Amino acid sequence: DGGITQSPKYLFRKEGQNVTLSCEQNLNHDAMYWYRQDPGQGLRLIYYSQIVNDFQKGDIAEGYSVSREKKESFPLTVTSAQKNPTAFYLCASSIGRSRYNEQFFGPGTRLTVL
Amino acid sequence: QKEVEQNSGPLSVPEGAIASLNCTYSDRGSQSFFWYRQYSGKSPELIMFIYSNGDKEDGRFTAQLNKASQYVSLLIRDSQPSDSATYLCAVKIDTDKLIFGTGTRLQVFP
Repeated sequence: DGGITQSPKYLFRKEGQNVTLSCEQNLNHDAMYWYRQDPGQGLRLIYYSQIVNDFQKGDIAEGYSVSREKKESFPLTVTSAQKNPTAFYLCASSIGRSRYNEQFFGPGTRLTVL
Repeated sequence: QKEVEQNSGPLSVPEGAIASLNCTYSDRGSQSFFWYRQYSGKSPELIMFIYSNGDKEDGRFTAQLNKASQYVSLLIRDSQPSDSATYLCAVKIDTDKLIFGTGTRLQVFP
């Protein structure tokens, strides 16, 4: 059953803690993305990766870090430097680098800072 | 700042009517355009994409693109209560990035 999985579905973090959100895909997609969604706002790009062992900052990368050691996996770490991390985090993937390739989303992780 | 603009709504239509959702974008170099549906608390689901000027139909959905006027629209025919969701317009400005609008909330009432 092909798709994108994200875990956990809900995550609670105390202030000052780093947390890592998992994203895995078995679609054989080269490109993977992390977005953040806040109420009433559009999706904002955090980081993206077009190929293993390479990734680029998106529009709001401060306070976040990623790795891409395997094609299937693109974990996102929310560090204590992120000032307002409470949000809905969405991972997406696409076949590759093209103006026309669609992005498909995982189910998301809802992060709440206590 | 490259932007994608949508009316936040809610757009309320009766069951069976045509719902018309609109989106404008600022970057004339935009090449491809996508419509996602997002139910409350869920992730976006791709429903349509369009690259060329004109109309593209898929079942009850029609995407319309006018690059000269920089707008893209989504028509939903025979609207159903299950179509009630937020519809996100997304524009691809280069090979890497999608720019999303804030979405239009559609309510279909019986």
